[in-house]
Amino acid sequence: SQQGEEDPQALSIQEGENATMNCSYKTSINNLQWYRQNSGRGLVHLILIRSNEREKHSGRLRVTLDTSKKSSSLLITASRAADTASYFCATRTGANNLFFGTGTRLTVIP
Amino acid sequence: DSGVTQTPKHLITATGQRVTLRCSPRSGDLSVYWYQQSLDQGLQFLIQYYNGEERAKGNILERFSAQQFPDLHSELNLSSLELGDSALYFCASSVVGSRGMDEQFFGPGTRLTVL
Repeated sequence: SQQGEEDPQALSIQEGENATMNCSYKTSINNLQWYRQNSGRGLVHLILIRSNEREKHSGRLRVTLDTSKKSSSLLITASRAADTASYFCATRTGANNLFFGTGTRLTVIP
Repeated sequence: DSGVTQTPKHLITATGQRVTLRCSPRSGDLSVYWYQQSLDQGLQFLIQYYNGEERAKGNILERFSAQQFPDLHSELNLSSLELGDSALYFCASSVVGSRGMDEQFFGPGTRLTVL
């Protein structure tokens, strides 16, 4: 299966700390995307990194991609209570559909 | 607000019944995707339509079917419902074929409860 796996499954941190989530996948990809989901709501796209990129930044988000290890990480710096959500990585191969990972549930404690 | 709308928000029905979920993509998006999210299965891709044609199929059961209409809205039909079909069903849309415009925009979902 192409589906990615996030690690850890759940993460709890204090407000102001950094949060790091990892994603591993199985086959070659065109790009990898990170999405956030607030409880019971639709997913929101955060950032996309292409297979020829190694690092990308967007505000407090930093994404890295290591295609040799088939892994990616999402770093959220200076976390806020509003960052509490589930975070999913999704991989895109040659097809147009995305394969989503199992998600990391992040809790930021005020 | 992603611009993708889904109706209804909630649906409660009985086993054996048939329901239709509706999705309107963002203005200009030609692709519509359907996903099922349940506690034990995570987010599962079901099917994709592009400009009215089926483009990709995922883990969609034979009891389920979908279509995309000329106005680009899509419907997901679920029949002979079972308890295990209870889940959140999401629709997403994207601009397919445009360089760099690969992200999918998700609707708020339809929560289906089968009793």
